[in-house]
Amino acid sequence: AQTVTQSQPEMSVQEAETVTLSCTYDTSESDYYLFWYKQPPSRQMILVIRQEAYKQQNATENRFSVNFQKAAKSFSLKISDSQLGDAAMYFCAYKKHGFGNEKLTFGTGTRLTIIP
Amino acid sequence: DVKVTQSSRYLVKRTGEKVFLECVQDMDHENMFWYRQDPGLGLRLIYFSYDVKMKEKGDIPEGYSVSREKKERFSLILESASTNQTSMYLCATSGQGLPEAFFGQGTRLTVV
Repeated sequence: AQTVTQSQPEMSVQEAETVTLSCTYDTSESDYYLFWYKQPPSRQMILVIRQEAYKQQNATENRFSVNFQKAAKSFSLKISDSQLGDAAMYFCAYKKHGFGNEKLTFGTGTRLTIIP
Repeated sequence: DVKVTQSSRYLVKRTGEKVFLECVQDMDHENMFWYRQDPGLGLRLIYFSYDVKMKEKGDIPEGYSVSREKKERFSLILESASTNQTSMYLCATSGQGLPEAFFGQGTRLTVV
C-alpha cells in the first residue's frame, strides 16, 4: 500500500523568508502524481501544486516550487517570500496514474505559521 | 470553477442518532469521496464512489455507509453516531482519470 509521510507537524517562518516542507512517500509504482494541498483556517482545501512522476522537471507555481527526487521518493515544497496568507495546514498527497486509480493518499500534514 | 458544497459547516448530534452528511457537486464528476480529518492523522478515506449506485470502502469504513442515487450527490451516513465519530468530514470530487481532486468546505461534526 502507498504511504505518505510528513515528518514536520509544525513549522514557522519569518514573513518574506523561505521555508521548505518535507514529504516522503512509498510506492512500487513508476507512474503517479504528487500534490501539495493547502488548508487555511477557512478549511477549504486548495491545490497548491502538482507533479507528474514521469516529468523530471520540478513543478513551479509562482512562489511555490517543489524538489521532486523520484529515486529517493521525496517531494518537498518550497515557499519563497512567505506571506501572512500562506499560514495554513499543508498536506502532501499521492495518487496512482491512470483510469481507475482515483484515490488520493494523504500525509498527516504540516501546520505552517508565518511570523510577522 | 468546480463547486463542491457540503450541507452543513457545523453539526452537533447526540449519541445513537442517525446522521446524514450531504455533498453536492456541479461539475459532472464521476468520482466522489468522503474523508475524515483528525489532528495528527491527516485525511483518511472512508468511502468513495466512481459512479451512481457504485461504492467502494476506503481505509476506515466501519460505522459508516454511503449513498449515491444521483451523480451530483454523495451522502455519508452514520447509522448510530458515537462520540469517536466526532471529527471533520471532507467531501471531494474528481473527474475520471483526471489528477486533481476538489474539496468541499468541510463539516465539523460533534457527537455528544
